[in-house]
Amino acid sequence: AQKITQTQPGMFVQEKEAVTLDCTYDTSDPSYGLFWYKQPSSGEMIFLIYQGSYDQQNATEGRYSLNFQKARKSANLVISASQLGDSAMYFCAMREDHYGGSQGNLIFGKGTKLSVKP
Amino acid sequence: DVKVTQSSRYLVKRTGEKVFLECVQDMDHENMFWYRQDPGLGLRLIYFSYDVKMKEKGDIPEGYSVSREKKERFSLILESASTNQTSMYLCASSLGGPNTEAFFGQGTRLTVV
Repeated sequence: AQKITQTQPGMFVQEKEAVTLDCTYDTSDPSYGLFWYKQPSSGEMIFLIYQGSYDQQNATEGRYSLNFQKARKSANLVISASQLGDSAMYFCAMREDHYGGSQGNLIFGKGTKLSVKP
Repeated sequence: DVKVTQSSRYLVKRTGEKVFLECVQDMDHENMFWYRQDPGLGLRLIYFSYDVKMKEKGDIPEGYSVSREKKERFSLILESASTNQTSMYLCASSLGGPNTEAFFGQGTRLTVV
């Protein structure tokens, strides 16, 4: 079973509008972290935002916010006021906290390609 | 700034060759990762290392091995390159624990002919 599911292979949004990119995850660990990365056409992976499993509030970073619904195991990324430069691939990722051995294996979803229209 | 450097941006190798992809990080991170990225498949973890000489298989380790003799360096080895290993390879590093982001190298586009 996939640990990270991104159901939207591609999305379009009009410039200046808000857009939500979906992400659901699967884990039995009580302690984990959720991440979103942006990959523009240049190929670099850019970290956007982080949400911890014990965080009470949704994470925000500038125009990015994470809509964290723990019971539903979803961690959707919301981009407000889209800009042309937001056109990129977006990846959701999760790290689980395994004790007594490796810590923090990082698993990614398949990504969503966002295109911002002028 | 954290820097993760991959030895080559583009690489072309022949089928059957032994291929080494090198990755170096300068922030004393415990964890290092090798991913393969293919269109429509996202990033798939090949191997993960959480300490010197320690490694764990990821989702697609077949045909690959890794080496981590020093903390700052994590090498991916294709023992006998095949055309289905043509891909983008991404290295990343991070501190330990579930709450720290990973930092990525610029990627190596490997073509096996």
